Amino acid sequence: DAGVIQSPRHEVTEMGQEVTLRCKPISGHNSLFWYRQTMMRGLELLIYFNNNVPIDDSGMPEDRFSAKMPNASFSTLKIQPSEPRDSAVYFCASSTRDNTDTQYFGPGTRLTVL
Amino acid sequence: GQQVMQIPQYQHVQEGEDFTTYCNSSTTLSNIQWYKQRPGGHPVFLIQLVKSGEVKKQKRLTFQFGEAKKNSSLHITATQTTDVGTYFCAGPYIQGAQKLVFGQGTRLTINP
Repeated sequence: DAGVIQSPRHEVTEMGQEVTLRCKPISGHNSLFWYRQTMMRGLELLIYFNNNVPIDDSGMPEDRFSAKMPNASFSTLKIQPSEPRDSAVYFCASSTRDNTDTQYFGPGTRLTVL
Repeated sequence: GQQVMQIPQYQHVQEGEDFTTYCNSSTTLSNIQWYKQRPGGHPVFLIQLVKSGEVKKQKRLTFQFGEAKKNSSLHITATQTTDVGTYFCAGPYIQGAQKLVFGQGTRLTINP
């Protein structure tokens, strides 16, 4: 079975540009999480969805960030406009509500904003 | 909110030496999970501990959950180069929540 799929794997853009990161969760998983990882701040949860509904977006840094999950098999994280401090690795993870709530992470998107 | 602290932040060992990382929560946890992230990779689930005082083993890895369910440890016996990576503990933000709070991680490097 395919794991969590993220695209693109690498993105280099210039400050002020719009960036869209994409995620396809594992089939059958009903929860999806967006994380950001940096050396300074570690692994931070940005937002998570349950059954396509945003449950907690308290980690979204500011209005420049938005996330959508139009259906059970696709989610996007958009940054508009991007800034150099947004440079990080963005992970998407999915899970199913069972006894473990184990999260399965995608390979990540390494974003560099120049 | 709930905080999860991990120590040490970095650990360098000679191959064959043992390694331990510790995780402490500001609140009682319903469970704790451990993840491993290889350099350049993504976090991968290792194990979940649920019961007070629980001990679980995976080959050379031993995981413990404290009696008060506020701390946990991961011990690796006789490290190998394949153990290189960052080890994270994570606990539910609040009991029953899917949202996890991750520790800062312990980065393990090994001299072969």
